Amino acid sequence: DAGVTQSPTHLIKTRGQQVTLRCSPKSGHDTVSWYQQALGQGPQFIFQYYEEEERQRGNFPDRFSGHQFPNYSSELNVNALLLGDSALYLCASSGGGQGSEAFFGQGTRLTVV
Amino acid sequence: GNSVTQMEGPVTLSEEAFLTINCTYTATGYPSLFWYVQYPGEGLQLLLKATKADDKGSNKGFEATYRKETTSFHLEKGSVQVSDSAVYFCALRSGGSYIPTFGRGTSLIVHP
Repeated sequence: DAGVTQSPTHLIKTRGQQVTLRCSPKSGHDTVSWYQQALGQGPQFIFQYYEEEERQRGNFPDRFSGHQFPNYSSELNVNALLLGDSALYLCASSGGGQGSEAFFGQGTRLTVV
Repeated sequence: GNSVTQMEGPVTLSEEAFLTINCTYTATGYPSLFWYVQYPGEGLQLLLKATKADDKGSNKGFEATYRKETTSFHLEKGSVQVSDSAVYFCALRSGGSYIPTFGRGTSLIVHP
């Protein structure tokens, strides 16, 4: 079992550009959540996808958008990048039930210059 | 709203020392409580959890007891190892949400 995989592992973008991050959930999982982790901080919830719909959203601007595909994989898109968007972006998958454990990927380190 | 407060780090210990990382919370309803660990360059892993008052979660020698009266979920280990060096996150999930709320994390450094 490959677990949760994220790509790319690192990338550097320029202010104003757009970026797409990708996540493949653990086998058997149908729910994907995205988090932003700034240096020295805990993960902040961005949104969660289930059955290709955004089920819940955190306090992030509309520049952050996402998508879930029929195979349960997911993308996070960020438009009009700001320096403050530099962070580790974590994807977590779970079986969907409220009590189910979330498994995290290793994250994508985004640097905006 | 929900919030989690952890003690400031880094916590620096010698191998075989006793570890306590304090965590207190504010939540509506009756939350489930979690400790996650993040090793350098990796994502978060669930370390242990407790779903109701007085439950004790335990894993890999770590323990934490859900204390409703003090709204706390302190992490303890009797004898730490160098390999325990990591960042530890306390988190809660309240009944109405699928999403955990994380603390800021506490870095643990264990010296040989």
